[in-house]
Amino acid sequence: EPEVTQTPSHQVTQMGQEVILRCVPISNHLYFYWYRQILGQKVEFLVSFYNNEISEKSEIFDDQFSVERPDGSNFTLKIRSTKLEDSAMYFCANKRRGGSLNEQFFGPGTRLTVL
Amino acid sequence: QQQVKQSPQSLIVQKGGISIINCAYENTAFDYFPWYQQFPGKGPALLIAIRPDVSEKKEGRFTISFNKSAKQFSLHIMDSQPGDSATYFCAASSTSNTGKLIFGQGTTLQVKP
Repeated sequence: EPEVTQTPSHQVTQMGQEVILRCVPISNHLYFYWYRQILGQKVEFLVSFYNNEISEKSEIFDDQFSVERPDGSNFTLKIRSTKLEDSAMYFCANKRRGGSLNEQFFGPGTRLTVL
Repeated sequence: QQQVKQSPQSLIVQKGGISIINCAYENTAFDYFPWYQQFPGKGPALLIAIRPDVSEKKEGRFTISFNKSAKQFSLHIMDSQPGDSATYFCAASSTSNTGKLIFGQGTTLQVKP
C-alpha cells in the first residue's frame, strides 16, 4: 500500500535558522496539506496546496512559512527563521481529489526541535 | 465556529469493554467526520469516517454514531483490546472547501488487560 514519507524524522536547529521539511506524497494524489502538533496537543492545520498554489492557510502560517513542490513530486515546508515555539511535530498529508473522497493520508511526521 | 470539541480527555477501559469518545461541532458546513488513531511517535491514521446523510457507520469493532440535529458524533470501540491503547482524534471538514481537517483535542485511551 502506498505511503506518505517524510524526511527528516527529527530535525534539531538553532533559533533563527532556516529549516526545510520534506514530504513525498502518494503518487497521483492532488491535494497536499501540512499540519503541526505541539507536544501533547491537538493536530492543527497549517496550509493546503493544490494545483501548485496555496489554497488556504491558517493564522499560524505567517510570512516565515512557505511551501512548494520543487520538482513536481516532493512537497516541502520551509520555515525561514525558526522560533522556539515552532518546536512541534509536522505532518504532511494528501488526498486524491476533492468532492466525495476526502480521505487524507498522513505521513509519519518530522519532529522539529528549536533550541 | 471552526472548533471541534472532544471528550473525555482520557479514558481507561478494561479489556473487552466498550470505549466511547464524543465530539461536537458548530459549523453546519462540515460534511465529513473522520476519526484518527495515533500511536506515540506516529502520524494519525484514518480509522473510520462518516458523512451526515447516515446516522451510523460500523467497521469491525469500530462504530461512529452521528446526530446531525445535535451536531454531535461519537466513536464506539466494542470489545476494547490493549492494542487499541492510543490517542484518538475526531475531526471535521467541509468537502466543498479545501478539505482541511479541524481536529478535536484528542482522547488518550488506555485498555487494561
